[in-house]
Amino acid sequence: AQSVTQLDSQVPVFEEAPVELRCNYSSSVSVYLFWYVQYPNQGLQLLLKYLSGSTLVKGINGFEAEFNKSQTSFHLRKPSVHISDTAEYFCAVKPFSGGYNKLIFGAGTRLAVHP
Amino acid sequence: EAQVTQNPRYLITVTGKKLTVTCSQNMNHEYMSWYRQDPGLGLRQIYYSMNVEVTDKGDVPEGYKVSRKEKRNFPLILESPSPNQTSLYFCASSLTSGGRAQVAQYFGPGTRLTVL
Repeated sequence: AQSVTQLDSQVPVFEEAPVELRCNYSSSVSVYLFWYVQYPNQGLQLLLKYLSGSTLVKGINGFEAEFNKSQTSFHLRKPSVHISDTAEYFCAVKPFSGGYNKLIFGAGTRLAVHP
Repeated sequence: EAQVTQNPRYLITVTGKKLTVTCSQNMNHEYMSWYRQDPGLGLRQIYYSMNVEVTDKGDVPEGYKVSRKEKRNFPLILESPSPNQTSLYFCASSLTSGGRAQVAQYFGPGTRLTVL
């Protein structure tokens, strides 16, 4: 079985400051990793994904994430946030095997960017 | 425009009154699924479908039904809604059910359901 833990339920930050949203996962098999963003009153949008290769993955809107296999982490970072980054962020994993495209989500981290 | 659409976006109903939430995608995706989102729990999968006439239970299927008669549509049916089904529901689709290049799922805008 797989599980995803997002270590912070809320992260307040000032505009133009850097931010890191933490995600750890547990799995007995290899997984693909994802970050999704949910803006207020909207659906989920894919930010970035790690499938294989370089452990540093760049996504949309200036976000990046680093896969650390030994620590089973996939933390999301942005060097300088904007007010428009205020949203809820979800980390998710999908096992390589299992035969179907099931995503296991973390509980979410609410990022609040203040002026 | 490639998209997943859901209707209605908002629904308030009463206990026991059957309802259907529709989901449609225009990307010719094989795989579709339904999730519910609850505070502090993230998204949990209700049902999924790997192709037409192929559906199976996710993690929280109790109280829900689905059907997949056409590739583009995947309605969620609540035959006798109860207050514990008050939640935000998302439909999602992806090109296939597996394979590295097709694992990214596309989500609809969500349906906020309140059962009184």
